[in-house]
Amino acid sequence: GAVVSQHPSRVICKSGTSVKIECRSLDFQATTMFWYRQFPKQSLMLMATSNEGSKATYEQGVEKDKFLINHASLTLSTLTVTSAHPEDSSFYICSAASRQGYTDTQYFGPGTRLTVL
Amino acid sequence: EDQVTQSPEALRLQEGESSSLNCSYTVSGLRGLFWYRQDPGKGPEFLFTLYSAGEEKEKERLKATLTKKESFLHITAPKPEDSATYLCAVQVGYGQNFVFGPGTRLSVLP
Repeated sequence: GAVVSQHPSRVICKSGTSVKIECRSLDFQATTMFWYRQFPKQSLMLMATSNEGSKATYEQGVEKDKFLINHASLTLSTLTVTSAHPEDSSFYICSAASRQGYTDTQYFGPGTRLTVL
Repeated sequence: EDQVTQSPEALRLQEGESSSLNCSYTVSGLRGLFWYRQDPGKGPEFLFTLYSAGEEKEKERLKATLTKKESFLHITAPKPEDSATYLCAVQVGYGQNFVFGPGTRLSVLP
Protein backbone atom coordinates (compact mmCIF):
# COMPACT_ATOMS: atom_id res chain seq x y z
CA GLY A 1 0.00 0.00 0.00
CA ALA A 2 0.83 3.75 0.03
CA VAL A 3 2.12 4.01 -3.52
CA VAL A 4 2.86 7.37 -5.11
CA SER A 5 3.57 7.71 -8.80
CA GLN A 6 5.24 10.55 -10.63
CA HIS A 7 5.21 11.26 -14.34
CA PRO A 8 7.33 11.76 -16.30
CA SER A 9 10.38 10.16 -14.71
CA ARG A 10 12.71 12.05 -16.98
CA VAL A 11 12.22 15.10 -19.19
CA ILE A 12 14.52 17.15 -21.39
CA CYS A 13 13.27 20.48 -22.68
CA LYS A 14 14.50 23.64 -24.33
CA SER A 15 15.00 26.84 -22.42
CA GLY A 16 11.83 28.92 -22.31
CA THR A 17 9.37 26.05 -22.48
CA SER A 18 7.08 24.89 -19.69
CA VAL A 19 7.09 21.43 -18.16
CA LYS A 20 4.34 19.76 -16.15
CA ILE A 21 5.03 17.02 -13.61
CA GLU A 22 2.19 14.89 -12.23
CA CYS A 23 2.10 13.30 -8.79
CA ARG A 24 -0.57 10.73 -7.94
CA SER A 25 -1.35 8.77 -4.80
CA LEU A 26 -2.52 5.44 -6.23
CA ASP A 27 -4.09 3.65 -3.29
CA PHE A 28 -4.92 6.33 -0.74
CA GLN A 29 -6.32 9.82 -0.57
CA ALA A 30 -3.89 12.53 0.37
CA THR A 31 -5.15 15.80 1.71
CA THR A 32 -1.65 17.20 1.53
CA MET A 33 1.10 16.78 -1.03
CA PHE A 34 4.60 18.19 -0.92
CA TRP A 35 7.01 19.14 -3.66
CA TYR A 36 10.76 18.91 -3.14
CA ARG A 37 13.83 19.68 -5.12
CA GLN A 38 17.05 17.77 -4.60
CA PHE A 39 20.53 18.66 -5.77
CA PRO A 40 23.26 16.00 -6.12
CA LYS A 41 24.42 14.60 -2.79
CA GLN A 42 22.17 16.98 -0.87
CA SER A 43 19.08 16.44 1.19
CA LEU A 44 15.53 17.31 0.18
CA MET A 45 14.63 20.97 -0.17
CA LEU A 46 10.94 21.66 0.38
CA MET A 47 9.50 23.89 -2.31
CA ALA A 48 5.81 23.98 -1.45
CA THR A 49 3.00 22.33 0.45
CA SER A 50 -0.21 21.69 -1.44
CA ASN A 51 -3.64 21.03 0.02
CA GLU A 52 -6.54 19.78 -2.07
CA GLY A 53 -8.81 22.60 -3.17
CA SER A 54 -6.67 25.44 -1.86
CA LYS A 55 -3.65 27.45 -2.91
CA ALA A 56 -0.22 25.99 -2.31
CA THR A 57 2.03 27.38 0.39
CA TYR A 58 5.46 28.15 -0.99
CA GLU A 59 8.70 28.16 0.98
CA GLN A 60 10.70 31.34 1.21
CA GLY A 61 12.70 31.95 -1.93
CA VAL A 62 10.54 29.77 -4.19
CA GLU A 63 8.88 31.78 -6.96
CA LYS A 64 5.18 30.90 -7.07
CA ASP A 65 4.82 32.25 -10.60
CA LYS A 66 7.69 30.09 -11.75
CA PHE A 67 6.59 26.87 -10.06
CA LEU A 68 2.84 26.56 -10.44
CA ILE A 69 1.19 23.95 -8.25
CA ASN A 70 -2.32 22.64 -8.71
CA HIS A 71 -3.91 20.14 -6.34
CA ALA A 72 -7.05 19.25 -8.22
CA SER A 73 -8.14 16.20 -6.26
CA LEU A 74 -7.26 14.08 -3.27
CA THR A 75 -5.04 11.92 -5.47
CA LEU A 76 -3.46 14.32 -7.93
CA SER A 77 -1.12 17.29 -7.69
CA THR A 78 0.81 18.88 -10.54
CA LEU A 79 3.91 21.04 -10.64
CA THR A 80 4.44 23.19 -13.73
CA VAL A 81 7.84 24.75 -14.23
CA THR A 82 7.11 27.78 -16.40
CA SER A 83 9.62 29.27 -18.81
CA ALA A 84 12.25 26.80 -17.71
CA HIS A 85 15.92 27.76 -17.74
CA PRO A 86 19.05 25.66 -17.29
CA GLU A 87 19.25 26.59 -13.61
CA ASP A 88 15.90 24.85 -13.10
CA SER A 89 17.51 21.55 -14.03
CA SER A 90 17.19 19.31 -11.00
CA PHE A 91 15.58 16.25 -9.46
CA TYR A 92 12.00 17.00 -8.39
CA ILE A 93 10.26 14.70 -5.94
CA CYS A 94 6.69 14.78 -4.69
CA SER A 95 5.23 13.16 -1.62
CA ALA A 96 1.70 12.48 -0.42
CA ALA A 97 0.80 12.53 3.25
CA SER A 98 -1.30 9.82 4.85
CA ARG A 99 -2.77 10.48 8.30
CA GLN A 100 -2.00 7.69 10.75
CA GLY A 101 -3.05 8.43 14.29
CA TYR A 102 -1.84 11.93 15.03
CA THR A 103 1.04 11.90 12.61
CA ASP A 104 1.18 12.25 8.83
CA THR A 105 3.49 9.85 7.05
CA GLN A 106 4.91 11.12 3.78
CA TYR A 107 5.15 8.61 0.96
CA PHE A 108 7.38 9.71 -1.87
CA GLY A 109 7.15 9.38 -5.61
CA PRO A 110 10.09 8.07 -7.64
CA GLY A 111 11.14 11.55 -8.73
CA THR A 112 11.44 13.44 -12.02
CA ARG A 113 14.78 14.36 -13.52
CA LEU A 114 14.42 17.66 -15.38
CA THR A 115 17.11 18.79 -17.77
CA VAL A 116 16.75 22.20 -19.42
CA LEU A 117 18.99 22.80 -22.42
CA GLU B 1 14.41 26.75 15.66
CA ASP B 2 13.66 23.09 14.98
CA GLN B 3 16.75 21.18 13.89
CA VAL B 4 17.64 17.67 12.85
CA THR B 5 21.21 16.47 12.46
CA GLN B 6 22.51 13.11 11.36
CA SER B 7 25.84 11.43 11.94
CA PRO B 8 28.03 10.25 10.50
CA GLU B 9 27.73 12.02 7.17
CA ALA B 10 29.06 8.91 5.44
CA LEU B 11 29.79 5.39 6.65
CA ARG B 12 31.58 2.53 4.98
CA LEU B 13 31.08 -0.95 6.37
CA GLN B 14 32.25 -4.38 5.41
CA GLU B 15 29.49 -6.87 4.73
CA GLY B 16 28.38 -8.33 8.06
CA GLU B 17 29.83 -5.45 10.11
CA SER B 18 27.00 -4.13 12.27
CA SER B 19 26.74 -0.42 13.11
CA SER B 20 24.37 2.39 14.01
CA LEU B 21 23.32 5.66 12.42
CA ASN B 22 22.36 8.59 14.60
CA CYS B 23 19.62 11.20 14.21
CA SER B 24 19.60 13.99 16.81
CA TYR B 25 16.77 16.47 17.03
CA THR B 26 16.04 19.72 18.79
CA VAL B 27 12.38 20.45 18.26
CA SER B 28 9.33 21.60 20.12
CA GLY B 29 6.25 19.42 19.98
CA LEU B 30 7.52 16.22 18.40
CA ARG B 31 4.67 14.28 16.85
CA GLY B 32 6.66 11.59 15.13
CA LEU B 33 10.10 10.66 13.83
CA PHE B 34 10.49 8.98 10.46
CA TRP B 35 13.27 7.01 8.82
CA TYR B 36 13.59 6.73 5.06
CA ARG B 37 15.98 5.01 2.71
CA GLN B 38 16.92 6.70 -0.56
CA ASP B 39 18.72 5.05 -3.44
CA PRO B 40 20.51 7.24 -6.01
CA GLY B 41 18.14 8.73 -8.54
CA LYS B 42 15.02 7.57 -6.68
CA GLY B 43 12.55 8.98 -4.20
CA PRO B 44 12.88 8.14 -0.50
CA GLU B 45 11.32 4.88 0.65
CA PHE B 46 9.50 4.89 3.98
CA LEU B 47 10.96 2.61 6.64
CA PHE B 48 9.64 3.47 10.13
CA THR B 49 7.63 5.89 12.23
CA LEU B 50 8.48 6.26 15.92
CA TYR B 51 6.17 8.17 18.22
CA SER B 52 7.55 8.19 21.75
CA ALA B 53 10.74 7.63 23.72
CA GLY B 54 11.48 3.98 24.32
CA GLU B 55 9.76 2.81 21.19
CA GLU B 56 11.54 0.36 18.88
CA LYS B 57 10.68 -0.98 15.44
CA GLU B 58 12.34 -3.63 13.32
CA LYS B 59 12.37 -4.60 9.69
CA GLU B 60 14.73 -7.26 8.42
CA ARG B 61 18.27 -6.12 9.33
CA LEU B 62 17.13 -2.67 10.50
CA LYS B 63 16.05 -1.63 13.96
CA ALA B 64 15.06 1.92 14.87
CA THR B 65 14.98 3.24 18.42
CA LEU B 66 13.91 6.57 19.90
CA THR B 67 14.90 8.58 22.96
CA LYS B 68 13.86 12.09 23.97
CA LYS B 69 16.74 13.62 22.03
CA GLU B 70 17.77 11.18 19.34
CA SER B 71 17.01 8.13 17.28
CA PHE B 72 19.29 5.34 16.19
CA LEU B 73 19.02 3.13 13.15
CA HIS B 74 20.86 -0.08 13.92
CA ILE B 75 21.95 -2.20 10.98
CA THR B 76 22.75 -5.79 11.84
CA ALA B 77 24.99 -7.83 9.54
CA PRO B 78 24.50 -5.47 6.60
CA LYS B 79 24.63 -6.60 3.00
CA PRO B 80 25.75 -4.60 -0.06
CA GLU B 81 22.10 -4.05 -1.00
CA ASP B 82 21.70 -2.01 2.20
CA SER B 83 23.91 0.67 0.64
CA ALA B 84 21.83 3.85 0.37
CA THR B 85 21.32 7.24 1.96
CA TYR B 86 19.26 7.04 5.15
CA LEU B 87 17.17 10.09 5.95
CA CYS B 88 15.63 11.01 9.27
CA ALA B 89 12.70 13.43 9.55
CA VAL B 90 10.47 14.76 12.31
CA GLN B 91 6.94 16.11 12.28
CA VAL B 92 6.47 18.98 14.70
CA GLY B 93 3.77 21.27 15.93
CA TYR B 94 0.12 21.18 15.05
CA GLY B 95 0.28 21.42 11.28
CA GLN B 96 2.08 19.41 8.67
CA ASN B 97 5.52 20.72 9.46
CA PHE B 98 8.41 18.41 8.76
CA VAL B 99 12.13 18.86 9.23
CA PHE B 100 14.51 16.56 7.39
CA GLY B 101 18.05 15.73 8.38
CA PRO B 102 20.88 15.84 5.84
CA GLY B 103 21.14 12.06 5.63
CA THR B 104 23.83 9.44 6.15
CA ARG B 105 25.36 7.81 3.07
CA LEU B 106 25.95 4.15 3.85
CA SER B 107 28.20 1.98 1.72
CA VAL B 108 28.43 -1.73 2.46
CA LEU B 109 31.36 -3.41 0.77
CA PRO B 110 31.26 -7.11 -0.19
